[in-house]
Amino acid sequence: AQSVTQLGSHVSVSEGALVLLRCNYSSSVPPYLFWYVQYPNQGLQLLLKYTTGATLVKGINGFEAEFKKSETSFHLTKPSAHMSDAAEYFCAVIRGADGLTFGKGTHLIIQP
Amino acid sequence: GAVVSQHPSRVICKSGTSVKIECRSLDFQATTMFWYRQFPKQSLMLMATSNEGSKATYEQGVEKDKFLINHASLTLSTLTVTSAHPEDSSFYICSASGLAGAPYEQYFGPGTRLTVT
Repeated sequence: AQSVTQLGSHVSVSEGALVLLRCNYSSSVPPYLFWYVQYPNQGLQLLLKYTTGATLVKGINGFEAEFKKSETSFHLTKPSAHMSDAAEYFCAVIRGADGLTFGKGTHLIIQP
Repeated sequence: GAVVSQHPSRVICKSGTSVKIECRSLDFQATTMFWYRQFPKQSLMLMATSNEGSKATYEQGVEKDKFLINHASLTLSTLTVTSAHPEDSSFYICSASGLAGAPYEQYFGPGTRLTVT
């Protein structure tokens, strides 16, 4: 069975600082991993995904994530935070044809 | 491309009534659609998976007689909450997959806020 753990329900960084959101997964099969962002009262927007190939994945809005099989991690980073990055971020692992299993989410706060 | 819409965006209904939520893939044929619910400040939980023309597969603990799912075409799935109660109040989000060249990617609708009074 697949599961996702996001460390830190809330992360606060200063504008311009590095953003690091942590995600660890458990999967009995090679995982397909995703990061989504959700703004208040809206659906989810895909930031990036890892399926196969290069382990460093670049996404939208300057975000990237690195798949590390040895650490079962897929942490999300952005070199310089912007106020517009404040949102809820979800890491997810696919369950084949059965939908996504989401982590509990990390609320990113950007301090001016 | 890959736009998914939901209707309505918000609905308020009285306890005991039923409400239908529509999920449409606007520019691609969705072989599979998924329904999730999200309680305030919580993550999304998968409720059910539906394939066009087939019965939906429900997750453990989700009442299939209460949450009726129909996926009659490759662009439309509906979720009907029957005999709604206040505890059914939640944010319901659908997603669709099946876009050519992106078999594992799900595209999410904007969600429907259901409030049962």
